[in-house]
Amino acid sequence: GENVEQHPSTLSVQEGDSAVIKCTYSDSASNYFPWYKQELGKGPQLIIDIRSNVGEKKDQRIAVTLNKTAKHFSLHITETQPEDSAVYFCAASSGGSYIPTFGRGTSLIVHP
Amino acid sequence: DGGITQSPKYLFRKEGQNVTLSCEQNLNHDAMYWYRQDPGQGLRLIYYSQIVNDFQKGDIAEGYSVSREKKESFPLTVTSAQKNPTAFYLCASGPGEKLFFGSGTQLSVL
Repeated sequence: GENVEQHPSTLSVQEGDSAVIKCTYSDSASNYFPWYKQELGKGPQLIIDIRSNVGEKKDQRIAVTLNKTAKHFSLHITETQPEDSAVYFCAASSGGSYIPTFGRGTSLIVHP
Repeated sequence: DGGITQSPKYLFRKEGQNVTLSCEQNLNHDAMYWYRQDPGQGLRLIYYSQIVNDFQKGDIAEGYSVSREKKESFPLTVTSAQKNPTAFYLCASGPGEKLFFGSGTQLSVL
């Protein structure tokens, strides 16, 4: 089955800096890669996603890049703000099952 | 107000007791999921259901049971066979690949 590795487990940045979270996956059949943000005491929320036919996608201060050859994808957050502090999960799924496999999460801390 | 409702928010289990976590959705999604979240472990799939009256085991189904008698509801029972039940439990639903999560239930052992 699919295996998703996520790094780093904790990321601490100053407000205004950029943050990058990286994930690798093992199943070459995976074609959908979402990112979820989980605030304390809440459920995860989808913030951005990318499909395997696209190399990069941006939405305001967040962007995701995908390298299919190397089987890795990354989340980029620019101009970080304290409200970006949360746990971020990457995931991968294939069109056959729709069931995502999640990474272990990255705790992002943005210091004011 | 559409969404996924999990209850209760906090639940305590005594030794040898079965407890049931509720999950209801009014998003008209076919698929529903249960995940267990432990610190540093990410989200691990317990059970999922892609259609009413059918469900499948996930990666860590031992000690848990589910039912899917209605499209809107997917309750999870944590049985006494689950020896380490303390965790944050998340229910999700989806029309396809994108998942919508509830706010979770924190289960603790007394």
